[in-house]
Amino acid sequence: NAGVMQNPRHLVRRRGQEARLRCSPMKGHSHVYWYRQLPEEGLKFMVYLQKENIIDESGMPKERFSAEFPKEGPSILRIQQVVRGDSAAYFCASSPTSGIEQFFGPGTRLTVL
Amino acid sequence: RKEVEQDPGPFNVPEGATVAFNCTYSNSASQSFFWYRQDCRKEPKLLMSVYSSGNEDGRFTAQLNRASQYISLLIRDSKLSDSATYLCVPDTGFQKLVFGTGTRLLVSP
Repeated sequence: NAGVMQNPRHLVRRRGQEARLRCSPMKGHSHVYWYRQLPEEGLKFMVYLQKENIIDESGMPKERFSAEFPKEGPSILRIQQVVRGDSAAYFCASSPTSGIEQFFGPGTRLTVL
Repeated sequence: RKEVEQDPGPFNVPEGATVAFNCTYSNSASQSFFWYRQDCRKEPKLLMSVYSSGNEDGRFTAQLNRASQYISLLIRDSKLSDSATYLCVPDTGFQKLVFGTGTRLLVSP
């Protein structure tokens, strides 16, 4: 049973470009969570999605960030017009139902030049 | 008050030692707790779940004190491979996990 998959593992973008991060949850998991970890800091919740629905986006910045989890395919975290402060590790986690253990993917390390 | 507070460490211990970390949480409604470990530049990995007063898994024991709102993690017979950052994560009841900066453990030969 493959774990949570994320790609790309490393992404380099110049300021003003768009970044798209993908997450495929574990088989049988329909709940996806995105977290961001800035250097030397703890993980911060961004958004919680189920298939085709955003359940909680209280941790998402108000501008430039969006997330989706379509009926088919991976969950996507999209960052438009990236700035240097967006440089971080972005982790995706999944769970089979809400309220129990979440399993994390290897993360995408975004570097904005 | 922060939702989760942990001593950042680092805790430097020799192989074979017993080490314990404490974690205090502010939300008295939290029902379940998780200990994750995170290696440098890697994803958090679930170490242990705690749904009642405690849990034990091999060399690892977690104990929950609801009255004082803290949870501890005890590691016996430390191995070099235990070197990592240990994250205490209370379930907020809103599906999102709240992470602190964790406690860093360094086990030396």
